[in-house]
Amino acid sequence: GQNIDQPTEMTATEGAIVQINCTYQTSGFNGLFWYQQHAGEAPTFLSYNVLDGLEEKGRFSSFLSRSKGYSYLLLKELQMKDSASYLCAVTPVRGSTLGRLYFGRGTQLTVWP
Amino acid sequence: ETGVTQSPTHLIKTRGQQVTLRCSSQSGHNTVSWYQQALGQGPQFIFQYYREEENGRGNFPPRFSGLQFPNYSSELNVNALELDDSALYLCASSLLEAGTGELFFGEGSRLTVL
Repeated sequence: GQNIDQPTEMTATEGAIVQINCTYQTSGFNGLFWYQQHAGEAPTFLSYNVLDGLEEKGRFSSFLSRSKGYSYLLLKELQMKDSASYLCAVTPVRGSTLGRLYFGRGTQLTVWP
Repeated sequence: ETGVTQSPTHLIKTRGQQVTLRCSSQSGHNTVSWYQQALGQGPQFIFQYYREEENGRGNFPPRFSGLQFPNYSSELNVNALELDDSALYLCASSLLEAGTGELFFGEGSRLTVL
């Protein structure tokens, strides 16, 4: 089976840094995605990690450790518009199963002024 | 914007009815996946279509069925609706050969079953 775990809620203040953790246990692993989802909207792609290490993209960074089944999303210089749900998702083995993402329940981040 | 469009955006049905949701994929994508997202949960994989053939299915009963057309647009059909089917239904298109599995989501169809 697939088990992806992330905190339900987090809060932070504008300008701060927040780290959202994700742990996973899946039968097979090809990569890990982070998506952002504002209330009532579709998830939008933030990052993709397939190898161990840190991927940086502007204010957002994502880290992966495959041996530990662990990832985190780091958000710097938080803005009010970053208030959203952040979804961790794993894609299993390569080949024809690509596109079948297994999602965690999402972490609802609230940014306060 | 991802280029993936879904219709209708909102609809209300009663228990026992049937519903058809539609999705138009992003140009150049040959794979479409459908997800169900209940309130406060992450999306759950329903099934995937690749070049008009079902290419995998999640833990959903047979009353959830789908189609993919030659232009790669897709339909999700749900028969004998139950109250628990109330959710946001997300369509996502992708290019299988791209090798990453990245999905491009539509805005979703919010189904309410009364």
